[in-house]
Amino acid sequence: DVKVTQSSRYLVKRTGEKVFLECVQDMDHENMFWYRQDPGLGLRLIYFSYDVKMKEKGDIPEGYSVSREKKERFSLILESASTNQTSMYLCASSLPQGFDTQYFGPGTRLLVL
Amino acid sequence: AQSVAQPEDQVNVAEGNPLTVKCTYSVSGNPYLFWYVQYPNRGLQFLLKYITGDNLVKGSYGFEAEFNKSQTSFHLKKPSALVSDSALYFCAVRAPVAGSYQLTFGKGTKLSVIP
Repeated sequence: DVKVTQSSRYLVKRTGEKVFLECVQDMDHENMFWYRQDPGLGLRLIYFSYDVKMKEKGDIPEGYSVSREKKERFSLILESASTNQTSMYLCASSLPQGFDTQYFGPGTRLLVL
Repeated sequence: AQSVAQPEDQVNVAEGNPLTVKCTYSVSGNPYLFWYVQYPNRGLQFLLKYITGDNLVKGSYGFEAEFNKSQTSFHLKKPSALVSDSALYFCAVRAPVAGSYQLTFGKGTKLSVIP
């Protein structure tokens, strides 16, 4: 089975802190994704990566950056956390074809105070 | 641009009754369509997908979905609902464009199965 793990299930940070969310997948998938999920808004794509060191902006990249130094690991960085970044963050991975299924991690619920 | 609409925020159904969760989409070309389920405080679990071929797709936990090109719909169905089916359901679409990786999700439908 595909396994996508995220470094924390719950995280509490203060405004202005730098926050790192880590995601690791064990299926040698080329593609990895970061979404945020908010009630009534569904899932929105922040960034995705289709190869090591490659990244592309999704729908809402402002205030975020990403890093993919190894194929299995994709990190989301909040350079200076703000209260409007309080959300559920979901990581996913997939094989490279457009019809390939995305497999999701358990999510990180981030609260920024 | 691609988009997905889930017209119902919440669906209530009695245990043992058939259930339908609606999804319509907008995309250029023939779409790839997906359904996911999310249980409380969990990530999304894949249920089923339509790529091509038979319009009726069968998936996990007894769920199925029917692709209707003329109505641009991909409704999720199950003949007999279980209380354990209560969860948040997301429909998603991707355009069949080379190099397109982005999956667009609907806003989700909360399904409540009443004992």
